[in-house]
Amino acid sequence: GQQVMQIPQYQHVQEGEDFTTYCNSSTTLSNIQWYKQRPGGHPVFLIQLVKSGEVKKQKRLTFQFGEAKKNSSLHITATQTTDVGTYFCAGPNSGAGSYQLTFGKGTKLSVIP
Amino acid sequence: DAGITQSPRHKVTETGTPVTLRCHQTENHRYMYWYRQDPGHGLRLIHYSYGVKDTDKGEVSDGYSVSRSKTEDFLLTLESATSSQTSVYFCAISDFVDAPNEQFFGPGTRLTVL
Repeated sequence: GQQVMQIPQYQHVQEGEDFTTYCNSSTTLSNIQWYKQRPGGHPVFLIQLVKSGEVKKQKRLTFQFGEAKKNSSLHITATQTTDVGTYFCAGPNSGAGSYQLTFGKGTKLSVIP
Repeated sequence: DAGITQSPRHKVTETGTPVTLRCHQTENHRYMYWYRQDPGHGLRLIHYSYGVKDTDKGEVSDGYSVSRSKTEDFLLTLESATSSQTSVYFCAISDFVDAPNEQFFGPGTRLTVL
């Protein structure tokens, strides 16, 4: 079945440093989604990328979708303590199961003030 | 936040007892999902529903059953709970009318099986 891998599993950064998490799929994706889960909370949708090579920005967050549509990255510039949480990427299953998502295991970000 | 509630929010039970978790939505979304979240495993799909009385298995369905008799309710049942089913359970909903086709998650149920 489809596999979605994320690295690193954990990242500790000093406040103000940049952070990047990477996502790789075993299959070509029609789109990729990113979610954030705060400690003790539930996953919350951040963004969806659809086009090959697409780049989207949300304030200090930059999301990229690879040219082959098999990888993606999330980059946070100048991290703040409000960025703490686990970031998940997710890709839809192919064909008839496209309404199902396969999630990566997530990258847990800690920010040291 | 989307109108999704889960009940109970916390439950402690003993091995061998049946447990039912409820997910209720007010968004009239067609698709509903049950995930479990465990350290080191991320979110894993247990079962999902694509309409009333239409359900199917996910990646980790053994030991779980589901039912959806109304659009708004999706029940997850552990027929005979085991310690390996100690986890945080999330319900999610989605609809495919407009992009993006994101999933909205409920607040979660923390289940402990002793």
